[in-house]
Amino acid sequence: DQQVKQNSPSLSVQEGRISILNCDYTNSMFDYFLWYKKYPAEGPTFLISISSIKDKNEDGRFTVFLNKSAKHLSLHIVPSQPGDSAVYFCAASANNNNDMRFGAGTRLTVKP
Amino acid sequence: NAGVMQNPRHLVRRRGQEARLRCSPMKGHSHVYWYRQLPEEGLKFMVYLQKENIIDESGMPKERFSAEFPKEGPSILRIQQVVRGDSAAYFCASSPSQGRGTGELFFGEGSRLTVL
Repeated sequence: DQQVKQNSPSLSVQEGRISILNCDYTNSMFDYFLWYKKYPAEGPTFLISISSIKDKNEDGRFTVFLNKSAKHLSLHIVPSQPGDSAVYFCAASANNNNDMRFGAGTRLTVKP
Repeated sequence: NAGVMQNPRHLVRRRGQEARLRCSPMKGHSHVYWYRQLPEEGLKFMVYLQKENIIDESGMPKERFSAEFPKEGPSILRIQQVVRGDSAAYFCASSPSQGRGTGELFFGEGSRLTVL
Protein backbone atom coordinates (compact mmCIF):
# COMPACT_ATOMS: atom_id res chain seq x y z
CA ASP A 1 0.00 0.00 0.00
CA GLN A 2 1.96 2.97 -1.32
CA GLN A 3 0.69 5.89 0.76
CA VAL A 4 3.36 8.25 -0.50
CA LYS A 5 3.90 8.41 -4.22
CA GLN A 6 6.53 10.07 -6.34
CA ASN A 7 5.38 9.44 -9.86
CA SER A 8 8.43 10.81 -11.65
CA PRO A 9 11.37 8.46 -11.26
CA SER A 10 13.72 10.98 -12.81
CA LEU A 11 14.05 14.67 -13.65
CA SER A 12 16.70 16.51 -15.63
CA VAL A 13 17.15 20.29 -15.52
CA GLN A 14 19.73 22.80 -16.64
CA GLU A 15 21.96 24.49 -14.11
CA GLY A 16 20.44 27.76 -12.92
CA ARG A 17 16.86 26.74 -13.73
CA ILE A 18 14.19 25.65 -11.28
CA SER A 19 13.77 22.01 -10.26
CA ILE A 20 10.30 20.96 -9.16
CA LEU A 21 9.88 17.57 -7.53
CA ASN A 22 6.38 16.34 -6.81
CA CYS A 23 4.89 14.04 -4.23
CA ASP A 24 1.33 12.82 -3.63
CA TYR A 25 -0.07 11.08 -0.59
CA THR A 26 -3.26 9.22 0.15
CA ASN A 27 -3.46 9.15 3.94
CA SER A 28 -5.32 12.20 5.20
CA MET A 29 -3.93 11.55 8.68
CA PHE A 30 -0.43 12.56 7.63
CA ASP A 31 0.46 15.80 9.36
CA TYR A 32 4.19 16.14 8.85
CA PHE A 33 6.08 15.97 5.59
CA LEU A 34 9.77 15.84 4.87
CA TRP A 35 12.19 15.73 1.98
CA TYR A 36 15.37 13.70 2.19
CA LYS A 37 18.27 13.79 -0.24
CA LYS A 38 20.40 10.77 -1.03
CA TYR A 39 23.72 10.54 -2.85
CA PRO A 40 24.96 7.17 -4.19
CA ALA A 41 26.45 4.89 -1.54
CA GLU A 42 25.29 7.21 1.24
CA GLY A 43 22.32 7.26 3.55
CA PRO A 44 19.50 9.77 3.12
CA THR A 45 20.00 13.16 4.73
CA PHE A 46 17.24 15.43 5.92
CA LEU A 47 16.65 18.44 3.68
CA ILE A 48 13.49 20.31 4.64
CA SER A 49 10.15 19.65 6.30
CA ILE A 50 6.69 21.15 6.61
CA SER A 51 3.88 20.77 9.11
CA SER A 52 0.31 20.41 7.90
CA ILE A 53 -0.57 23.72 9.53
CA LYS A 54 1.55 25.49 6.93
CA ASP A 55 1.43 25.62 3.16
CA LYS A 56 4.97 26.78 2.52
CA ASN A 57 8.38 26.47 4.11
CA GLU A 58 11.50 28.04 2.67
CA ASP A 59 15.16 27.40 3.43
CA GLY A 60 17.62 29.08 1.12
CA ARG A 61 17.27 27.67 -2.37
CA PHE A 62 14.79 25.04 -1.19
CA THR A 63 11.06 25.62 -0.76
CA VAL A 64 8.43 23.03 0.04
CA PHE A 65 4.79 23.69 -0.82
CA LEU A 66 1.91 21.76 0.68
CA ASN A 67 -1.59 21.54 -0.81
CA LYS A 68 -3.64 19.61 1.71
CA SER A 69 -6.84 19.58 -0.31
CA ALA A 70 -5.00 17.96 -3.20
CA LYS A 71 -2.84 15.82 -0.90
CA HIS A 72 0.14 17.06 -2.82
CA LEU A 73 3.48 18.57 -1.94
CA SER A 74 6.34 19.77 -4.03
CA LEU A 75 9.96 20.70 -3.54
CA HIS A 76 11.32 23.65 -5.50
CA ILE A 77 15.04 24.16 -5.91
CA VAL A 78 16.08 27.45 -7.42
CA PRO A 79 18.57 28.03 -8.83
CA SER A 80 19.51 24.39 -9.40
CA GLN A 81 23.17 23.46 -9.11
CA PRO A 82 25.07 20.38 -10.34
CA GLY A 83 25.70 19.43 -6.70
CA ASP A 84 21.95 19.05 -6.25
CA SER A 85 22.05 15.95 -8.45
CA ALA A 86 20.81 13.17 -6.16
CA VAL A 87 17.76 11.07 -5.37
CA TYR A 88 15.10 12.97 -3.45
CA PHE A 89 12.70 11.12 -1.19
CA CYS A 90 9.42 12.50 0.01
CA ALA A 91 8.31 11.24 3.45
CA ALA A 92 5.26 11.66 5.66
CA SER A 93 4.16 10.72 9.14
CA ALA A 94 0.95 10.90 11.15
CA ASN A 95 0.00 11.65 14.75
CA ASN A 96 3.38 11.22 16.35
CA ASN A 97 3.69 7.87 14.62
CA ASN A 98 7.10 6.31 14.37
CA ASP A 99 6.19 4.87 11.01
CA MET A 100 7.50 7.47 8.56
CA ARG A 101 6.39 6.54 5.03
CA PHE A 102 8.71 7.21 2.13
CA GLY A 103 8.07 7.59 -1.58
CA ALA A 104 10.08 5.70 -4.18
CA GLY A 105 12.29 8.70 -4.87
CA THR A 106 13.01 10.97 -7.84
CA ARG A 107 16.48 11.08 -9.34
CA LEU A 108 17.38 14.68 -10.13
CA THR A 109 20.14 15.44 -12.61
CA VAL A 110 21.30 19.03 -12.93
CA LYS A 111 23.31 19.56 -16.10
CA PRO A 112 26.07 22.20 -16.18
CA ASN B 1 31.69 13.18 15.82
CA ALA B 2 30.85 9.91 14.14
CA GLY B 3 27.52 9.54 12.44
CA VAL B 4 25.39 6.43 12.32
CA MET B 5 27.68 3.51 11.59
CA GLN B 6 26.46 0.44 9.78
CA ASN B 7 28.38 -2.72 9.01
CA PRO B 8 28.95 -4.58 6.94
CA ARG B 9 28.42 -2.26 4.00
CA HIS B 10 28.02 -5.23 1.70
CA LEU B 11 27.02 -8.76 2.64
CA VAL B 12 26.60 -11.74 0.35
CA ARG B 13 24.73 -14.78 1.58
CA ARG B 14 23.47 -17.98 0.00
CA ARG B 15 19.85 -18.98 0.36
CA GLY B 16 19.18 -20.49 3.76
CA GLN B 17 22.05 -18.73 5.53
CA GLU B 18 21.71 -16.09 8.22
CA ALA B 19 22.43 -12.41 7.78
CA ARG B 20 23.33 -10.07 10.65
CA LEU B 21 23.43 -6.34 10.10
CA ARG B 22 24.79 -4.03 12.77
CA CYS B 23 24.06 -0.40 13.52
CA SER B 24 25.74 1.91 15.99
CA PRO B 25 23.68 5.06 16.48
CA MET B 26 25.12 8.52 16.78
CA LYS B 27 26.58 9.34 20.15
CA GLY B 28 23.85 10.39 22.52
CA HIS B 29 21.08 8.83 20.43
CA SER B 30 18.98 6.18 22.11
CA HIS B 31 16.41 5.60 19.36
CA VAL B 32 17.12 3.35 16.39
CA TYR B 33 15.06 2.71 13.28
CA TRP B 34 15.57 0.16 10.54
CA TYR B 35 14.37 0.72 6.98
CA ARG B 36 14.59 -1.49 3.92
CA GLN B 37 14.91 -0.28 0.35
CA LEU B 38 14.05 -2.75 -2.35
CA PRO B 39 15.22 -2.06 -5.90
CA GLU B 40 13.24 0.76 -7.52
CA GLU B 41 11.25 1.32 -4.32
CA GLY B 42 11.28 3.78 -1.47
CA LEU B 43 12.39 3.25 2.07
CA LYS B 44 10.07 0.98 4.00
CA PHE B 45 9.87 1.19 7.79
CA MET B 46 10.68 -2.04 9.55
CA VAL B 47 11.22 -1.50 13.26
CA TYR B 48 11.80 1.15 15.91
CA LEU B 49 13.81 0.32 19.02
CA GLN B 50 15.05 1.97 22.14
CA LYS B 51 17.69 0.47 24.38
CA GLU B 52 16.58 -3.07 25.28
CA ASN B 53 13.05 -2.45 23.98
CA ILE B 54 11.23 -2.93 20.70
CA ILE B 55 8.79 -0.04 20.46
CA ASP B 56 7.20 -0.65 17.09
CA GLU B 57 7.85 -3.63 14.82
CA SER B 58 4.80 -3.22 12.62
CA GLY B 59 6.93 -3.17 9.48
CA MET B 60 8.86 -6.33 10.21
CA PRO B 61 8.00 -9.53 8.35
CA LYS B 62 6.42 -11.96 10.79
CA GLU B 63 8.94 -14.71 10.15
CA ARG B 64 12.71 -14.93 9.89
CA PHE B 65 13.34 -11.28 10.82
CA SER B 66 14.25 -10.02 14.27
CA ALA B 67 15.88 -6.96 15.75
CA GLU B 68 17.46 -6.04 19.02
CA PHE B 69 19.15 -3.07 20.62
CA PRO B 70 20.95 -4.31 23.72
CA LYS B 71 22.04 -2.20 26.63
CA GLU B 72 25.60 -2.44 25.42
CA GLY B 73 26.63 -2.63 21.80
CA PRO B 74 25.02 -1.96 18.46
CA SER B 75 21.54 -2.68 17.24
CA ILE B 76 21.34 -5.91 15.27
CA LEU B 77 18.94 -6.77 12.45
CA ARG B 78 18.94 -10.52 11.99
CA ILE B 79 17.52 -12.36 9.01
CA GLN B 80 17.36 -16.12 9.27
CA GLN B 81 17.18 -18.51 6.32
CA VAL B 82 17.58 -15.73 3.79
CA VAL B 83 15.79 -15.89 0.43
CA ARG B 84 16.50 -13.99 -2.78
CA GLY B 85 13.67 -11.57 -2.01
CA ASP B 86 15.60 -10.36 1.03
CA SER B 87 18.19 -8.78 -1.26
CA ALA B 88 17.95 -5.07 -0.54
CA ALA B 89 19.66 -2.12 1.07
CA TYR B 90 18.99 -1.94 4.79
CA PHE B 91 19.28 1.50 6.35
CA CYS B 92 19.55 2.29 10.01
CA ALA B 93 18.64 5.68 11.41
CA SER B 94 18.91 7.14 14.88
CA SER B 95 17.46 10.06 16.76
CA PRO B 96 18.07 11.62 20.16
CA SER B 97 14.40 11.32 21.00
CA GLN B 98 11.32 9.97 19.34
CA GLY B 99 11.77 10.95 15.73
CA ARG B 100 8.13 11.55 14.91
CA GLY B 101 8.87 13.05 11.56
CA THR B 102 10.65 16.05 12.97
CA GLY B 103 13.58 15.66 10.61
CA GLU B 104 15.70 14.29 13.39
CA LEU B 105 16.37 10.95 11.77
CA PHE B 106 20.05 10.56 10.95
CA PHE B 107 20.72 7.73 8.53
CA GLY B 108 23.69 5.45 8.16
CA GLU B 109 25.17 4.60 4.78
CA GLY B 110 23.25 1.36 4.60
CA SER B 111 24.08 -2.32 4.36
CA ARG B 112 23.51 -3.94 1.00
CA LEU B 113 22.49 -7.59 1.28
CA THR B 114 22.76 -9.83 -1.75
CA VAL B 115 21.31 -13.31 -1.57
CA LEU B 116 22.61 -15.73 -4.18
